[in-house]
Amino acid sequence: SQQGEEDPQALSIQEGENATMNCSYKTSINNLQWYRQNSGRGLVHLILIRSNEREKHSGRLRVTLDTSKKSSSLLITASRAADTASYFCATLGGNNRLAFGKGNQVVVIP
Amino acid sequence: NAGVTQTPKFQVLKTGQSMTLQCAQDMNHEYMSWYRQDPGMGLRLIHYSVGAGITDQGEVPNGYNVSRSTTEDFPLRLLSAAPSQTSVYFCASSSGTGVTEAFFGQGTRLTVV
Repeated sequence: SQQGEEDPQALSIQEGENATMNCSYKTSINNLQWYRQNSGRGLVHLILIRSNEREKHSGRLRVTLDTSKKSSSLLITASRAADTASYFCATLGGNNRLAFGKGNQVVVIP
Repeated sequence: NAGVTQTPKFQVLKTGQSMTLQCAQDMNHEYMSWYRQDPGMGLRLIHYSVGAGITDQGEVPNGYNVSRSTTEDFPLRLLSAAPSQTSVYFCASSSGTGVTEAFFGQGTRLTVV
């Protein structure tokens, strides 16, 4: 079964705006990861946040994790046309398997 | 740097045919896995391996076989292709069992007619 569920599913924004995506999960996790997928390509790792961390930054990316609510958010600041992609959250549970959500499609309009 | 290499990139099969999707990585990663991606379904784990000689089933293993004779290679075999196996298949590897980032291949787009 799918562990992560991203919300919203599709997002269209103007270049320069911020994009926020949410992910919820159901069971306890060791870490949560975000990946990007450009059309027709494989997934690329963006950022990993451990279960004992609450916030993490990487460049224009900011990830938060609320284990009490079993949710995470990914914020992309000052979006660019090149950020147009699908974004997936993935959770690592006690079974050591990485489970992916269904993905968020983000379109950044130049 | 090759990373994770999948072949072929595209494949059309007839129902009942068998084939092997190849996956190779050059990063000496212990953990390798196969996912399928279908519209609106995200990525679903088919099979995975935590090291040479060790494989296990994922979420949707039926109709697929794997083996891991070397650290580098993790082929996925379709035993008797069915239209329901039409999908995009991704191979991934990581140095640990999910503790670190996973590296993905470019995918194989398979159509079963």
